[in-house]
This record gives sequence, structure tokens and C-alpha cells, in this order.
Amino acid sequence: EADIYQTPRYLVIGTGKKITLECSQTMGHDKMYWYQQDPGMELHLIHYSYGVNSTEKGDLSSESTVSRIRTEHFPLTLESARPSHTSQYLCASSGPPFGGNTTSTDTQYFGPGTRLTVL
Amino acid sequence: KNQVEQSPQSLIILEGKNCTLQCNYTVSPFSNLRWYKQDTGRGPVSLTIMTFSENTKSNGRYTATLDADTKQSSLHITASQLSDSASYICVVSDRGSTLGRLYFGRGTQLTVWP
Repeated sequence: EADIYQTPRYLVIGTGKKITLECSQTMGHDKMYWYQQDPGMELHLIHYSYGVNSTEKGDLSSESTVSRIRTEHFPLTLESARPSHTSQYLCASSGPPFGGNTTSTDTQYFGPGTRLTVL
Repeated sequence: KNQVEQSPQSLIILEGKNCTLQCNYTVSPFSNLRWYKQDTGRGPVSLTIMTFSENTKSNGRYTATLDADTKQSSLHITASQLSDSASYICVVSDRGSTLGRLYFGRGTQLTVWP
């Protein structure tokens, strides 16, 4: 079982609200990711981080922002939520087995996801 | 354009039966291919991973195959159980990035009936 957590699991909010989706992992992984997934569709990478103070935008344009102040924590923020932001948001991390070196075959471990609904 | 296509889109089988899911990809260069299982409302969980030199990998009742020449992979599930009901996602990683860039298929939604 992967040690990666997301809160809240479900969130229903009104348009214009500011929200922060939390993601934390206890595996000491340097790389972390945020994906957006709509029902029946593939995952789309929206943000990633190589390590502390490193953040990059992913393939899918997103109005959200992220920060990486601590290795284990990678929160995602929406300053003003809109109905178009309704989706499932999945956080993931990857890294080598304990004591090992990073390779291209490092597995990404996913959190349980946050189901966001903006009314 | 790098793509990952999965078939069928959905599949219904009876408990105890076998099934095979397909994945075709155009990702190049190629590093590895993973199959993930995603239960409803949960994050994906890795089942198998295969690199270029591997053509089969098993994990319990799950057996994945890879033909890197034809760029095809399959996931075979033996003696299906109700708990196998989930979306199965094929994910291909290219070799061109230290990030290990991933390309996701849309998944096959498998339903196992009693």
C-alpha cells in the first residue's frame, strides 16, 4: 500500500471560492505530480515537481497553482473555482526503492484522489 | 503524436472466466510499459511493468505481454473475481526525459458479474 494521502476526498463548493487540495507522501520521494481525470478519460498531467522549490506545468493547461516547500507536501490551489474545474484530481509521487537510485522505471504511486464539484 | 489506445473500451464477463485486454501505442522512444488497476473513486495501482527486453510479466492472476516490434501489449486475467471489476489502464513511458514522461490510455472498464 502506497503512503500517499489526499484531502479532502470529496469537495463541493460554489463558484469563485478559493480552494486548496492537499497531498502528502511519507516515502521520501523527490518527484511529485498532479493529474486531472474526467470520467472515462485518460489522466492528464497538470503539474509536477522534481523536488523542493521546483515546480513545472504539465501537458494540460490548468488555472491551478502548486507549491513544494517540503519534500512530503505538494498542495494544489485554485484561486477562484469555476464549474469547468469540476473533475477528479489525483496526486502521485515516484522515487527509487529505499536506498536505491532513481531510474526511468520508478513506479508512480497514486493517492486516492479528490473529487471536486464546483456549482 | 505519441498515443496509447486501449480496447475494448468496456467488457463484462462472468466470475471465473478469463479475459484479455489490449493496448496499442505509438510512443517513441520507448522506455517501459505499465498496467495499472484503478478501482472506482480510487487512484491507480501498478500491476506490472515491462521494459523493452521483456515480453511477459506475471503478477498473480494477471499476466502482461509486450511486443515491442508491433508496439502492442495485452493484459490477461485468469479466473476472474468480483474484485477484478475496475478500470485497467495502460501507461507507456518514453526514454526522452529524466521525468520518465508517461502517456496514459483511457482504460478498459471491466465488470465481473457473479
